[in-house]
Amino acid sequence: EVQLVESGGGLVQPGGSLRLSCAASGFTFNKYNMNWARQAPGKGLEWVSKISSTTRTSFYAESVKGRFTISRDNAKNSLYLQMTGLRVDDTAVYYCARETWTGSPTIDHWGQGTLVTVSP
Amino acid sequence: QSVLTQPPSASGTPGQRVTISCSGSSSNIGSNGVIWYQQLPGTAPKLLIYTNNQRPSGVPDRFSGSKSGTSASLAISGLQSEDEADYYCATWDDSLIGYVFGSGTKVTVL
Repeated sequence: EVQLVESGGGLVQPGGSLRLSCAASGFTFNKYNMNWARQAPGKGLEWVSKISSTTRTSFYAESVKGRFTISRDNAKNSLYLQMTGLRVDDTAVYYCARETWTGSPTIDHWGQGTLVTVSP
Repeated sequence: QSVLTQPPSASGTPGQRVTISCSGSSSNIGSNGVIWYQQLPGTAPKLLIYTNNQRPSGVPDRFSGSKSGTSASLAISGLQSEDEADYYCATWDDSLIGYVFGSGTKVTVL
């Protein structure tokens, strides 16, 4: 069974930093691209970032480019999101998500999420 | 403002058929498979439909998807009370180089 467990969320002041982690199990982690997505309170889903299985390629939403960095450690089956320069509008539940290929990229499994609150 | 356009709400009585539309462009829906997620209150999204009309194992065949050009739709037939949830369409966007989502449709069972 695929399991994705996020951690590292919490309350941080504007301008602060936070590092999220995602522990993956139940599948061969190093064969899958991985993503972060988020959902602000009462709002819809927003994709944040993607990293390839080999860590050679990463992509970011314009809203976080230059502030967030995605990384992974395939030896530890873990995905990370380093967040700096946090803003109030970064407040959201952050989801770790596995991607598969079905003819086009498809996020097929999501973690339960970790809440990040940015507030003075 | 979401890249993909969905109606904010839809409703029906038990047993009815409900359809949700999702409109995009040539760089997203027109180029890639459409994905649908179901999000029950307080839970993470769950994959409902992939590649326009494929159901993962365990998803009831009451759920079906279709795509034509730059638009897609999700149909729920034989609506049940447990289908009350938010539904999101999504796909990869070749121009934005990222996933794009619809704003979500809240389905209410009357």
